[in-house]
Amino acid sequence: DAKTTQPPSMDCAEGRAANLPCNHSTISGNEYVYWYRQIHSQGPQYIIHGLKNNETNEMASLIITEDRKSSTLILPHATLRDTAVYYCIVKGYNFNKFYFGSGTKLNVKP
Amino acid sequence: GAVVSQHPSWVICKSGTSVKIECRSLDFQATTMFWYRQFPKQSLMLMATSNEGSKATYEQGVEKDKFLINHASLTLSTLTVTSAHPEDSSFYICSLVGVNTEAFFGQGTRLTVV
Repeated sequence: DAKTTQPPSMDCAEGRAANLPCNHSTISGNEYVYWYRQIHSQGPQYIIHGLKNNETNEMASLIITEDRKSSTLILPHATLRDTAVYYCIVKGYNFNKFYFGSGTKLNVKP
Repeated sequence: GAVVSQHPSWVICKSGTSVKIECRSLDFQATTMFWYRQFPKQSLMLMATSNEGSKATYEQGVEKDKFLINHASLTLSTLTVTSAHPEDSSFYICSLVGVNTEAFFGQGTRLTVV
């Protein structure tokens, strides 16, 4: 049961920051926000996850609003290889099943 | 992160035959693995949970006799599509959950039934 809402597609210029929003207004207190991406005809790739604090790693930053009802994945300098479908998933920490919503198709353009 | 390997990457089979897809965890002992199916231009759909040493559990609407799952060891789960038909043509993906609760996915298997 996908608990998230994402725009179906977004465009971003190469070299610019890509900001991908996700709405998860029904998130529970013990549920984390995970982000994955899927490049065409490949398995999904883990990007980042967080509970309530903002998170950053070598791939991206995750900004979670204070009420935790929405979040934004930021790719600081998008490249053509970042063109993919990005999935935002809400999941309880001790619950192992990942249910995918429809995701956002990010098109990075030269 | 964990490395998950699927085999084969693609397979073409005749209608009515069965096809087995392997999912291996190369560096992690997984008591649980997951199988997904993805049709063109659609999202991933969770099919079933593969449990080492016990029966798989299937999501609602997934035929357990159609999609046989075996998880005989901590590093191998197999999905057999029995009596495949063209409508079973899809992209099948397995995954496991690592120690930090993130999931790692195989590269997927493209099944085409002719």
